[in-house]
Amino acid sequence: SAVISQKPSRDICQRGTSLTIQCQVDSQVTMMFWYRQQPGQSLTLIATANQGSEATYESGFVIDKFPISRPNLTFSTLTVSNMSPEDSSIYLCSVEGGSGGTGELFFGEGSRLTVL
Amino acid sequence: AQRVTQPEKLLSVFKGAPVELKCNYSYSGSPELFWYVQYSRQRLQLLLRHISRESIKGFTADLNKGETSFHLKKPFAQEEDSAMYYCALMAGGTSYGKLTFGQGTILTVHP
Repeated sequence: SAVISQKPSRDICQRGTSLTIQCQVDSQVTMMFWYRQQPGQSLTLIATANQGSEATYESGFVIDKFPISRPNLTFSTLTVSNMSPEDSSIYLCSVEGGSGGTGELFFGEGSRLTVL
Repeated sequence: AQRVTQPEKLLSVFKGAPVELKCNYSYSGSPELFWYVQYSRQRLQLLLRHISRESIKGFTADLNKGETSFHLKKPFAQEEDSAMYYCALMAGGTSYGKLTFGQGTILTVHP
C-alpha cells in the first residue's frame, strides 16, 4: 500500500489566479496520477506524472492550464492556472499499487478547490 | 473510447436486505473491472477487482461480457456498507493508472 498526503485540503480562490497542489507519497513510485472530480461528476484522469520526463496529458487537458512537476520519485505538484469557476473541483493525486498495471490505485484525500 | 455507466445515483435499502449496485461498460477490447468505495470522511479505496474473483466485506461482482456488466452484490446489507461506490474500467495493455470511472452510486443502508 501507499500513503499519500495532499496539500492544501481545500482552498477558496479568486478567478484568474493560480494554485499549486502538492502530493507526497511515502514510498518511491515511477508514476503518479492526477484526477479531477467536478461537482456531481465522476473522476477523470488529467495526466500522468513521470519522474524525469514531461507529464502525459489526457484528451481535453493541456500543460498550459495544468502544469505538473515531478522533481523526484515521491513528490509531484499540479498547478491549476488562470482559474475560472469551472475549475471548482476536487483534485486527487494517486499512485498504483504493485509493479504497475494492477489497476489498484491509492488516493490522497483530495484538494477541494472553489473558484469564485 | 471506453465508458462506464452506473444508472443509479442513489440506492437505499434496509439492513439485512440484499443489495445490487449496477454497472455497465462499453469497451471494444478485454477490460479489467473494479469497484472502488469511499466511506464517509475517508479516501477512495479499492473494494474489489474482477480478476481476483474474491469476496470482500461480503460483496461480490461478476463480469458478464455478454451483457457488458459488472454489478456489485451483497446478500445482506449492513449499515456500515453505506458509502459512495464507483465502478471503474482499465483498458487492456499498458494502461497504467488509467481508470475510467462511473459516476458513482450512493448507497444508504437504513437500520
